[in-house]
Amino acid sequence: DVKVTQSSRYLVKRTGEKVFLECVQDMDHENMFWYRQDPGLGLRLIYFSYDVKMKEKGDIPEGYSVSREKKERFSLILESASTNQTSMYLCASSLPGGGETQYFGPGTRLLVL
Amino acid sequence: RKEVEQDPGPFNVPEGATVAFNCTYSNSASQSFFWYRQDCRKEPKLLMSVYSSGNEDGRFTAQLNRASQYISLLIRDSKLSDSATYLCVVNLGNQGGKLIFGQGTELSVKP
Repeated sequence: DVKVTQSSRYLVKRTGEKVFLECVQDMDHENMFWYRQDPGLGLRLIYFSYDVKMKEKGDIPEGYSVSREKKERFSLILESASTNQTSMYLCASSLPGGGETQYFGPGTRLLVL
Repeated sequence: RKEVEQDPGPFNVPEGATVAFNCTYSNSASQSFFWYRQDCRKEPKLLMSVYSSGNEDGRFTAQLNRASQYISLLIRDSKLSDSATYLCVVNLGNQGGKLIFGQGTELSVKP
């Protein structure tokens, strides 16, 4: 069974804080993704990575950065958290190729005060 | 126009009912198609892939119409446990594993 884990289920931060969200997968998947999910907007892709040290911007990268130093780990960084970054953050991984299933972690609910 | 559009619902149906969800996609170059299921406060999980010839998995039937850029999901004999949000998902094929998600259709099956 593929397992994708995220460092926190719930997180409360203050405006201006630097926030790290960690994601680890145990299936040796090349592809990893970070999404945010908001009511009425669905899942929106923030960043993705096809390999170690490689990253690509998704649809809404502003205010975020990512790091992939090891194949199994993909980190999302909010350099200076803002209240409009309050959301559910979901990490996913998949094998390479277009027809592959994405496996999601349980999500992190982030509240920025 | 959104790349993948779905009726957000909610669809409220009695147990045993048949319910159909529709989805349209805007990019004719789309290559792969899926339905994911997301339970309340949980992560999305793959329900089934959608093939050009249509495919069935138990009570679930998925159809694809490439000419109309339209995907459907039919659920027969609805169960209480089918209550969830159903996400229509498309892969463009030219961006590797990147998926485009619809905003989801909420289904509530009542006793």
